[in-house]
Amino acid sequence: SAVISQKPSRDICQRGTSLTIQCQVDSQVTMMFWYRQQPGQSLTLIATANQGSEATYESGFVIDKFPISRPNLTFSTLTVSNMSPEDSSIYLCSVAAGTARNTEAFFGQGTRLTVV
Amino acid sequence: AQSVTQPDIHITVSEGASLELRCNYSYGATPYLFWYVQSPGQGLQLLLKYFSGDTLVQGIKGFEAEFKRSQSSFNLRKPSVHWSDAAEYFCAVAIAGAAGNKLTFGGGTRVLVKP
Repeated sequence: SAVISQKPSRDICQRGTSLTIQCQVDSQVTMMFWYRQQPGQSLTLIATANQGSEATYESGFVIDKFPISRPNLTFSTLTVSNMSPEDSSIYLCSVAAGTARNTEAFFGQGTRLTVV
Repeated sequence: AQSVTQPDIHITVSEGASLELRCNYSYGATPYLFWYVQSPGQGLQLLLKYFSGDTLVQGIKGFEAEFKRSQSSFNLRKPSVHWSDAAEYFCAVAIAGAAGNKLTFGGGTRVLVKP
């Protein structure tokens, strides 16, 4: 299993500012994933973060808006840049852990972001 | 690209009654399939998963799910719901060979439990 800590758990931010969300895992993992959950919606993958390389972004998400760092195998950050009220969402960090035949995704508690 | 459909946005069920949540997926091969539950203000908790083998999968909290390849479905069931089962339920798929990675989620089904 994997235990994931996300900081902050929630924040209220002014439009036009940026927020950096931290994700710490209690074990070394190859890939870390960032998801967005807009109010009342399902989860959408933003990007996959590999250590030592640039993150891979899903369609509709760009690095300028959501820069990601992955300095080591247990840590990643997601920045939400130049925020607008439409960015108000829960942002979740996720990792896959387990054996090759029995893996599952583990999620942090999420960061609830409100942009005013 | 794979996709997941949960046809029911909301389901209301009486406490003690049975519950079935529908999930259909679209993918060319057999994916890895998951059900997650998200309680209000909580993170995502894995209920159960299917990788291969027995198509009836047992999970936590008394839940089970059945994989039906012919129908591309992975429906979640519970024989008798408890008030604490009120939550949002998400079906998800991952590409086989990348289990737990890069999940595609369904839209979710919100379950309300009447006393």
